This record gives sequence, C-alpha cells and structure tokens, in this order.
Amino acid sequence: DAKTTQPTSMDCAEGRAANLPCNHSTISGNEYVYWYRQIHSQGPQYIIHGLKNNETNEMASLIITEDRKSSTLILPHATLRDTAVYYCIVKGRAAGNKLTFGGGTRVLVKP
Amino acid sequence: DTEVTQTPKHLVMGMTNKKSLKCEQHMGHRAMYWYKQKAKKPPELMFVYSYEKLSINESVPSRFSPECPNSSLLNLHLHALQPEDSALYLCASSQGRVEGHEQYFGPGTRLTVT
Repeated sequence: DAKTTQPTSMDCAEGRAANLPCNHSTISGNEYVYWYRQIHSQGPQYIIHGLKNNETNEMASLIITEDRKSSTLILPHATLRDTAVYYCIVKGRAAGNKLTFGGGTRVLVKP
Repeated sequence: DTEVTQTPKHLVMGMTNKKSLKCEQHMGHRAMYWYKQKAKKPPELMFVYSYEKLSINESVPSRFSPECPNSSLLNLHLHALQPEDSALYLCASSQGRVEGHEQYFGPGTRLTVT
C-alpha cells in the first residue's frame, strides 16, 4: 500500500472548518483513501473513504485531488469533541482486510 | 446495532498467568481483527479472521493465541506474557468484503503485565 504523510499536529478553532491534509503521492489506481480518528482512550472510528470522487457524509467531506496524490479531510464545523488523532490510510485490494495505520495528525480543537 | 464490545475493560496479570480477552459483534460481519496499541503509537494489526478462519497472523508471538468460536465472537488467549506486552488491545470487525468496507472498533482492553 502507498505510504501517507500527515502533519504531526494542528490546532483548530471551535466552530470553524478544520482542513486536514494527507499526502499519498505513490497511490496506485485501485487504492482507496480512508480516514479514521481516535479520540483519547477510545477505539478508532471510521470517518469516510473515497477512490477518485469527492465524498461527503454526516461527519465530514473528503476532497481528493485530480491526480490523487493528496487529499483533504474537512470537518465543516469543528467542536471540542472532534479533538482526536486523525489517520489517513491508503489501502487497495492487495492488502485484503489489512489496515496499516501511520502516525496520524493530532488535532486539538480550541474554544 | 453498530457496536463492538470488549471485555474486560482493564486487566492486570502476572507473567505466569493465563487470561483471555473477549470481543463480540452482532452486525453480521464476517471479518474480525485484533490490534495492539502501545501508548502514543498507532494501532498495529495482530490477527485477522475471515469467515471464522485465520487469514492473517502478523508474526505475533505464540504467547498470544486467537480463537474465533463463531462469526460473532473473537477471543485472544494470553499466556506467559512479558511486561512489554502491556498495551491497549483493540478488536474490530468488518463486512469482510475486500474493498470499500470500514472497520468498526471496540473500546479496547487495557492490559498491564506485571
């Protein structure tokens, strides 16, 4: 699976949009981009995933660049409860059921 | 019901003890996973069961022994652990399809080996 690069940490203001970048320049055509988050002392939580098109659900939006080498997770109105470590994961068919977590971005939402 | 439950929440065991961690899901998922997470590190995959058969073992020491009695249950049997095995053990499940599936995680069992 392609390697991902994320900033180690970032701060966001409560009520504002949080934009979390992820670089995956070696992604191949059949690999999906997944986002999970882990709130302190809890298990990881699935947020969203996509292949080529932008995706939106009740939690977030995923914007994937046309060349698919990077993506951005957008939390439209960050709340204090969104403080967590956010993981960007690239996974394709060859990996089967295997998710490989990288270092993630530690996001702190401030009042 | 989109919940994965794990018991116990906390476990303290000595190096000569035998204990088991339990995981349960009732979402009809056919893939179940064990992950290990050390403090301030990302989760690391240990085992994957697909349709009740062990499909992935990430070279985990034999002192960890997984078991999948049926499609809803997953156990992790622990024996002769070392202090460095102290960690958060996470269970997850998914539909089992290869692409486009998400994994649902339980809250974890925090294990301390003394």
